[in-house]
Amino acid sequence: DTGVSQNPRHKITKRGQNVTFRCDPISEHNRLYWYRQTLGQGPEFLTYFQNEAQLEKSRLLSDRFSAERPKGSFSTLEIQRTEQGDSAMYLCASSLRAGTGDNQPQHFGDGTRLSIL
Amino acid sequence: AQSVTQPDIHITVSEGASLELRCNYSYGATPYLFWYVQSPGQGLQLLLKYFSGDTLVQGIKGFEAEFKRSQSSFNLRKPSVHWSDAAEYFCASGGATNKLIFGTGTLLAVQP
Repeated sequence: DTGVSQNPRHKITKRGQNVTFRCDPISEHNRLYWYRQTLGQGPEFLTYFQNEAQLEKSRLLSDRFSAERPKGSFSTLEIQRTEQGDSAMYLCASSLRAGTGDNQPQHFGDGTRLSIL
Repeated sequence: AQSVTQPDIHITVSEGASLELRCNYSYGATPYLFWYVQSPGQGLQLLLKYFSGDTLVQGIKGFEAEFKRSQSSFNLRKPSVHWSDAAEYFCASGGATNKLIFGTGTLLAVQP
């Protein structure tokens, strides 16, 4: 178990640029989640996948945000035309959905900190 | 709507003293409840979880938490705090959709 891996750890970009983050979940985990955490706040849910299917998206996920999980393995989160308000820590988590009613805990990566200049 | 409240933004305790961090949840059914810890610049590490059964759950690093349905609470406790426990602590609830709702966190400082 190598844990959830996120790249890059830090990203600094100018307003208006596009950015893409990558998350590699724990290998046997079929669920993958994205959260956003701003300073002094708890993480806020953005979206989650079960295998390659994106099952839920938060209203926080504007049309400038898109997430993919091709082949049900790693995931990418892209932000287009970045704005100052996008500055945050973007956290990825994964869990194992073993069956109905079995809600396994989520394991988090160290996050990608995005700073918009 | 599902929500989690952590009333204490910042707590300072002396090393060796006991600790209790408060968490209240709002959810129609019995929620899944979690405590996570976050060190600066790091992700979240799971301390413990409650799904069902015994209302007193044990976690890692000597932490425990008690689920009290009548008070809608899931407070985190540790009998003797170590300097390495200084971090931010988040309570979270999850329901049928599996997404986690987090509280705003409690920042723990440990003084010698």
